[in-house]
Amino acid sequence: GAVVSQHPSRVICKSGTSVKIECRSLDFQATTMFWYRQFPKQSLMLMATSNEGSKATYEQGVEKDKFLINHASLTLSTLTVTSAHPEDSSFYICSASGTGAPYEQYFGPGTRLTVT
Amino acid sequence: QKEVEQNSGPLSVPEGAIASLNCTYSDRGSQSFFWYRQYSGKSPELIMFIYSNGDKEDGRFTAQLNKASQYVSLLIRDSQPSDSATYLCAVEKYTGNQFYFGTGTSLTVIP
Repeated sequence: GAVVSQHPSRVICKSGTSVKIECRSLDFQATTMFWYRQFPKQSLMLMATSNEGSKATYEQGVEKDKFLINHASLTLSTLTVTSAHPEDSSFYICSASGTGAPYEQYFGPGTRLTVT
Repeated sequence: QKEVEQNSGPLSVPEGAIASLNCTYSDRGSQSFFWYRQYSGKSPELIMFIYSNGDKEDGRFTAQLNKASQYVSLLIRDSQPSDSATYLCAVEKYTGNQFYFGTGTSLTVIP
């Protein structure tokens, strides 16, 4: 299967700072990348969908000014959590899909964010 | 009604048995269906996908799809303790590209 990397795998930051998470598709061109958040023992929650070169589409309830998404190339998308607060602590996972149906999504290993 | 429904479990089966995981969906226009495995603390891993009615086999895994009943299932033959994980059913939205995810079924294979 396709490989998606994510960096960093873990990050601890202080409240009020910003954190950038990178998501890369290593062996295919990702037309679309997705960002999910998962709290303990809960299901994946889609935060936003981004297409290369376009603005991201955010799900209802997700603040676009707080979670900045950039998808500058077909292999890289970044999520920046601005002015992080303890309630932003979660497991953030990106996924990528290529062109053509079925649009299987390949997930990165995730980033565990802890805001103190 | 949720777009994708799964029994949260936990489902326990003895080693070597067949584990059967079920999923129903509400979007009749959905065409593609996916099963992911997620180990605790890890991200989901794609097991297989199916888009035609009937069965699709891949090693010990068989996906079954019945679009008329809006039902998709995953059978795991010869279950192993390493199969213990949460299994997520994902359904592609009719509009394409995005998924509806179920809440997952927790499977425990008892040695």
